[in-house]
Amino acid sequence: EAGVAQSPRYKIIEKRQSVAFWCNPISGHATLYWYQQILGQGPKLLIQFQNNGVVDDSQLPKDRFSAERLKGVDSTLKIQPAKLEDSAVYLCASSPRQGGSPLHFGNGTRLTVT
Amino acid sequence: AQRVTQPEKLLSVFKGAPVELKCNYSYSGSPELFWYVQYSRQRLQLLLRHISRESIKGFTADLNKGETSFHLKKPFAQEEDSAMYYCALGDTNAGKSTFGDGTTLTVKP
Repeated sequence: EAGVAQSPRYKIIEKRQSVAFWCNPISGHATLYWYQQILGQGPKLLIQFQNNGVVDDSQLPKDRFSAERLKGVDSTLKIQPAKLEDSAVYLCASSPRQGGSPLHFGNGTRLTVT
Repeated sequence: AQRVTQPEKLLSVFKGAPVELKCNYSYSGSPELFWYVQYSRQRLQLLLRHISRESIKGFTADLNKGETSFHLKKPFAQEEDSAMYYCALGDTNAGKSTFGDGTTLTVKP
């Protein structure tokens, strides 16, 4: 099976600019996650989708971050405006079902905000 | 609230030596525990999960509910085991996984 696809792999922007990341999960996987991984830390959940509905966005900084999963397949994560502390790797993951399934990760997007 | 603690940021052993990566968790329900591994220049991937009770690449992990631990063990480390290891706790109701901050394992020749 094809894995989770993410793009771009790297992005460098200046603070206050906007940026968008794209994720295509494994076919048939209903649950999609966006994680933020700051250097030296483990992945931290930003948002979880079940099909095209949001299950958990409690850790998403909604004043600057937004995410959508139209049609329950692809997803985009946007940051506007970016801050220096947003520099991190943004990981997309999917799983076939909610609750206790292992996650399948993409390669991530490394964002540097200068 | 669920929490995962990996007390060692760095762990270095010699080839052939036993290795144990520690993981402790905090969770009020019935936990689902996982170990994920990230080799150099590769994506994060599942290594093993507690309900499988299997050995993957010589690694095993036993869930100890009394000590709330899920330590990862291998009797004889190999150089190719050098990687970043993350312990994760799955919420069976909400579906999200909480990760520890990881342990970098280096196996020296």
